[in-house]
Amino acid sequence: GESVGLHLPTLSVQEGDNSIINCAYSNSASDYFIWYKQESGKGPQFIIDIRSNMDKRQGQRVTVLLNKTVKHLSLQIAATQPGDSAVYFCAERSGFNKFYFGSGTKLNVKP
Amino acid sequence: SAVISQKPSRDICQRGTSLTIQCQVDSQVTMMFWYRQQPGQSLTLIATANQGSEATYESGFVIDKFPISRPNLTFSTLTVSNMSPEDSSIYLCSVDRANTGELFFGEGSRLTVL
Repeated sequence: GESVGLHLPTLSVQEGDNSIINCAYSNSASDYFIWYKQESGKGPQFIIDIRSNMDKRQGQRVTVLLNKTVKHLSLQIAATQPGDSAVYFCAERSGFNKFYFGSGTKLNVKP
Repeated sequence: SAVISQKPSRDICQRGTSLTIQCQVDSQVTMMFWYRQQPGQSLTLIATANQGSEATYESGFVIDKFPISRPNLTFSTLTVSNMSPEDSSIYLCSVDRANTGELFFGEGSRLTVL
C-alpha cells in the first residue's frame, strides 16, 4: 500500500507529558509491526516492534499497543523529552518480509 | 543492527539524466529493499532486491525507470533513470535482520532534480 499525503499531522506536547501517536494499518494479515522515529535529514530509526500474537509491548519509556480488531497501533511515549521531537511512522509487514509504512505523525515537544 | 552505507548522500541532478545510488551493508543479508520518500511524505516501497535474481517491483514502479542490481549479499544499486523534478526524493536502502525480521535503514540519498 502506498501512503499519500502532502502534510503530516502534528502532535504538540509539553515536555514531561506523555505522548500518544496513533496509526491505522491496512492489512488484517500483517503479522509484525514496527514503530520508527525519523529525525530531520536521517533515515528511520527502529524504536519498538510487536508481533500480531501480542497486544502490548513495553520498552524504555515507550509502549506499543496493537488492536487487531480495528487494525490500529499506538505508540505511547512517557515523559516526553525535546529529543523525542521527530516524525514517527508505523510499518506493517505484509507478504514476504515486505514492510509498508503509515502516513506518519510529526511530534513537536515544547520545552 | 546492520550498518548500511549509501552513496551519494545527496545530489543535484539535471532533468533527463540518470543517477545510480549505491548501498553497502556490513554483513551478508538475503533481502535488500529500496524505498522512496517524497518531500513531507511517508516511505513507499519501490522494490525488493534479491541476490541472483531480478528485483521484484511494487505496483507503480517499473524496471526501466528504476533498474536495480544485486551482485552479492552485501551490495545493491538503484538507478533513477531519465529523471524529472517529480523524482526529487530521498531514496532509502534497507535490510532485514534474518532471525527477527527487523528492518534497518541507511541514512538515505537525497536527490534534487532541476
